[in-house]
Amino acid sequence: AQKVTQAQTEISVVEKEDVTLDCVYETRDTTYYLFWYKQPPSGELVFLIRRNSFDEQNEISGRYSWNFQKSTSSFNFTITASQVVDSAVYFCALSGHSNSGYALNFGKGTSLLVTP
Amino acid sequence: SQTIHQWPATLVQPVGSPLSLECTVEGTSNPNLYWYRQAAGRGLQLLFYSVGIGQISSEVPQNLSASRPQDRQFILSSKKLLLSDSGFYLCAWSPGVMTEAFFGQGTRLTVV
Repeated sequence: AQKVTQAQTEISVVEKEDVTLDCVYETRDTTYYLFWYKQPPSGELVFLIRRNSFDEQNEISGRYSWNFQKSTSSFNFTITASQVVDSAVYFCALSGHSNSGYALNFGKGTSLLVTP
Repeated sequence: SQTIHQWPATLVQPVGSPLSLECTVEGTSNPNLYWYRQAAGRGLQLLFYSVGIGQISSEVPQNLSASRPQDRQFILSSKKLLLSDSGFYLCAWSPGVMTEAFFGQGTRLTVV
């Protein structure tokens, strides 16, 4: 069965701290994709990154970086030098051939609060 | 560029009343379309998906239904709302299989 676990329900950090959001997944598919989304208070989900199961290279985009480790079924997201605007709920998601309509299967999200 | 429109943004409806939420996508053809619901606990639950006109698949038994009368139009409906239908409803589209989905602004539905 497909499953995405974000064990951290809420995280609170002070501005400029680094923070890592954990994501662990389960899938029986050999080919699958992993995603991260940001949901600011306005509610709309904003796509951040997609990673396929055959590419374990880490990715960096500005202050954001992602660490994909197939051996531990993890796809963690790090924000460096956090800012107040990073406050949001972050979702990790998975899609594979087992997903109905190839829909994304989401974790329950991690609420990140960055205080000044 | 592609855009997705979802309306209304907020809705307060009495129990037993009907519901119609609409979602349209512009700038693409034959998208995969999805309706998700996000309850108070934050998780996103897939309700319906559609891979083509008139093709609707339901993931969760409930008193909601979906229709796709046109290629880029997806409608979520109910004949009689329940209190438990309250939540944040999100429409999304994707261009293909295992690709990222792009979400609408969402509709916050409160059933009273």
